[in-house]
Amino acid sequence: AQSVTQLDSHVSVSEGTPVLLRCNYSSSYSPSLFWYVQHPNKGLQLLLKYTSAATLVKGINGFEAEFKKSETSFHLTKPSAHMSDAAEYFCAITGNQFYFGTGTSLTVIP
Amino acid sequence: KAGVTQTPRYLIKTRGQQVTLSCSPISGHRSVSWYQQTPGQGLQFLFEYFSETQRNKGNFPGRFSGRQFSNSRSEMNVSTLELGDSALYLCASSLGSGGERFTDTQYFGPGTRLTVL
Repeated sequence: AQSVTQLDSHVSVSEGTPVLLRCNYSSSYSPSLFWYVQHPNKGLQLLLKYTSAATLVKGINGFEAEFKKSETSFHLTKPSAHMSDAAEYFCAITGNQFYFGTGTSLTVIP
Repeated sequence: KAGVTQTPRYLIKTRGQQVTLSCSPISGHRSVSWYQQTPGQGLQFLFEYFSETQRNKGNFPGRFSGRQFSNSRSEMNVSTLELGDSALYLCASSLGSGGERFTDTQYFGPGTRLTVL
């Protein structure tokens, strides 16, 4: 069965400091994994996607994620947070549907 | 290339009424999925349509239904609205090339905010 668990419901960082949003997954087969971002009253925007080509995936807006099979993790990172990064972030895994995590709300403190 | 569009963006209905939401996918995309997003339940999969056929279905009552037209546009209908149906309804499109197992990226529309009074 496919599932993802986002380990933090809320993360708060200061502007200019690193961001780490954690996601663990469970999969019956080699998965496709995604990170999406949702700003208030908007739809979901794709940040990046892992499909077994490379374990370190670079996305938009300076975000990247590393697929670690041994740890069943797919954590999202960014070296330096910007005010515009404040949003809700969702990790997702594919199966016969997209299975989303419960989301991590990122607050950036000026 | 135009993104996924959803209409209307906002709806207010009363209990017992029915509602139809519309979704136009990205050109060339044949798969359309619908999701319900609420603060308490998060993102929940409703169903997926591919080539006018429902290919996957989530765990929602029969009051929730959908269809897809030959141009891949999709509609979702909710009958006998309940207060708990108040949510953001998101539509996503993808190429749909992976069969019943999703492999393609899904691209989301802005959503329809449904409020049931």
